[in-house]
Amino acid sequence: SQQGEEDPQALSIQEGENATMNCSYKTSINNLQWYRQNSGRGLVHLILIRSNEREKHSGRLRVTLDTSKKSSSLLITASRAADTASYFCATAQGKFQFGAGTQVVVTP
Amino acid sequence: GAGVSQSPSNKVTEKGKDVELRCDPISGHTALYWYRQSLGQGLEFLIYFQGNSAPDKSGLPSDRFSAERTGGSVSTLTIQRTQQEDSAVYLCASSLAPPGTGYGNQPQHFGDGTRLSIL
Repeated sequence: SQQGEEDPQALSIQEGENATMNCSYKTSINNLQWYRQNSGRGLVHLILIRSNEREKHSGRLRVTLDTSKKSSSLLITASRAADTASYFCATAQGKFQFGAGTQVVVTP
Repeated sequence: GAGVSQSPSNKVTEKGKDVELRCDPISGHTALYWYRQSLGQGLEFLIYFQGNSAPDKSGLPSDRFSAERTGGSVSTLTIQRTQQEDSAVYLCASSLAPPGTGYGNQPQHFGDGTRLSIL
């Protein structure tokens, strides 16, 4: 099974609402990264959080990391239609592995 | 500056033919990665290059798959005797990765992929 697994698989919200998705992983990690993928495009790096960090912010994004629970969450605040995409977490410990992603749909 | 460039963007070929997929990484990025993404799925790691060598090619599905990188820059992924199950989007990424630091410790920059369809 994959190292990083996102939850939920799909999320549908309205503009202005917050979107939260979670990532669980199995082994110890050096860092955890979140990426966004728009339909038909490559992945775009959003944020990297190191194993000794607990929270990180970038614009409307907030990422938390709980190494004791082997989990991370990505919060998108005040969502916009342009946030419609798939979001993936990726973990780095020796091998770099992606989860299956959370598909987020933001409706106007 | 220029991002990661992949060509062709789309490739349709008949079962049994060989295909070559090309990746031009960001200039100066020593690390290069190939992934495969099936419809609606996550990314499956194929191979990692540091410079021209491939420390990790454990993700290549079979000996029909091979990859090379020349001049520490352009990489080619070759699939021989293609099968229908090879149909997928093949993504390339590059990153800064000073030797000895290990990969996965820097953000990866992705191309838009090659959509491969085997008839």
